[in-house]
Amino acid sequence: RKEVEQDPGPFNVPEGATVAFNCTYSNSASQSFFWYRQDCRKEPKLLMSVYSSGNEDGRFTAQLNRASQYISLLIRDSKLSDSATYLCVVKRRYFNKFYFGSGTKLNVKP
Amino acid sequence: DAGVIQSPRHEVTEMGQEVTLRCKPISGHDYLFWYRQTMMRGLELLIYFNNNVPIDDSGMPEDRFSAKMPNASFSTLKIQPSEPRDSAVYFCASSFGGMTRAYEQYFGPGTRLTVT
Repeated sequence: RKEVEQDPGPFNVPEGATVAFNCTYSNSASQSFFWYRQDCRKEPKLLMSVYSSGNEDGRFTAQLNRASQYISLLIRDSKLSDSATYLCVVKRRYFNKFYFGSGTKLNVKP
Repeated sequence: DAGVIQSPRHEVTEMGQEVTLRCKPISGHDYLFWYRQTMMRGLELLIYFNNNVPIDDSGMPEDRFSAKMPNASFSTLKIQPSEPRDSAVYFCASSFGGMTRAYEQYFGPGTRLTVT
């Protein structure tokens, strides 16, 4: 089983829509969680860390569910510029190894 | 502030040649990571350093790959000899392991390697 699993998509949504992605992780000893976005042929860029209590940054909300071992990313009022691949990243406790999901592709259409 | 700097941005070489990729991390960051990304395998961690010391190289594919970090501001990833299956985008990333915003990684623009 992979450390981190994501639905590859693509998610095709109209501008203004709300869209949510989930990411499941297999190791309960996972400590830190992140969402990155990656545009085509570019480097991954940190979108937000995911805190235990959940956190929000503008139109983006991240949540952690330790009991079910998943994190989620909610995007409200989607913009064309949100079109990208969203990568879920998990770091294990006591080890500084980072496990990347394969990404979920989002296409926001006019 | 300057981000992570990688060079070269593109490299085309023939099978059997030596390839050296370079990375300058963000000043003050104490972790440095080398990743490889392909369509088939996604983003894979090859090796990471903490305070210039290699901590985990279990992701390095084979002995043809080696990485060094002689000081806090420079790292290299070397492939010798190169093979067509090494064709990929190689990213360097750095992070700070302190309490604030711990482990948030910042990636360089990558080196697109093509081995013919």
